[in-house]
Amino acid sequence: GDSVTQMEGPVTLSEEAFLTINCTYTATGYPSLFWYVQYPGEGLQLLLKATKADDKGSNKGFEATYRKETTSFHLEKGSVQVSDSAVYFCALSGNAGGTSYGKLTFGQGTILTVHP
Amino acid sequence: DVKVTQSSRYLVKRTGEKVFLECVQDMDHENMFWYRQDPGLGLRLIYFSYDVKMKEKGDIPEGYSVSREKKERFSLILESASTNQTSMYLCASSSAGAGNTIYFGEGSWLTVV
Repeated sequence: GDSVTQMEGPVTLSEEAFLTINCTYTATGYPSLFWYVQYPGEGLQLLLKATKADDKGSNKGFEATYRKETTSFHLEKGSVQVSDSAVYFCALSGNAGGTSYGKLTFGQGTILTVHP
Repeated sequence: DVKVTQSSRYLVKRTGEKVFLECVQDMDHENMFWYRQDPGLGLRLIYFSYDVKMKEKGDIPEGYSVSREKKERFSLILESASTNQTSMYLCASSSAGAGNTIYFGEGSWLTVV
């Protein structure tokens, strides 16, 4: 079945540091890939997504590129801020056979803490 | 903006009680989902629904049931709550088809004592 593996956390950085959170996936067909963010005490919000190979999703300074050859969708940001402290989830929406109904398979989440 | 509203943010229930978690979405979405979130395990799908009165089991349906009598409302039912169902429950919705953005509610923290 479909699966998503994220780098283990937690990740602790200083403000303005470079961020990478690794994400790899296993899926049949051509899944869509997502990064969601969860701020303390809140539900999940979509951060960015990519629906086909070589697409780059971007939002709020974050970027991720859909790499089919390496089955990866790593999240990057050039200069993190304290306000980026949150839990980040990589997810995929499989479409094998057209019966997935868009449901998401999530990685285990990565806790990011940014210090001033 | 899409809004997914979960009726209760925090609940404390006793073992053996029947528990209802309610969710309403305002965007006429076909798909609705219930996930459970536990530390180190990410989000796991309990049940989903792609139409009124239709439901499909997710990855961890045991101990849960669902009801979708109206398009905008999707209820999660714990028939007899147990302590291992203490968790954060997240409702979500999306329009039909793969690759569409799924929108989440703020979550319901359930503690079973």
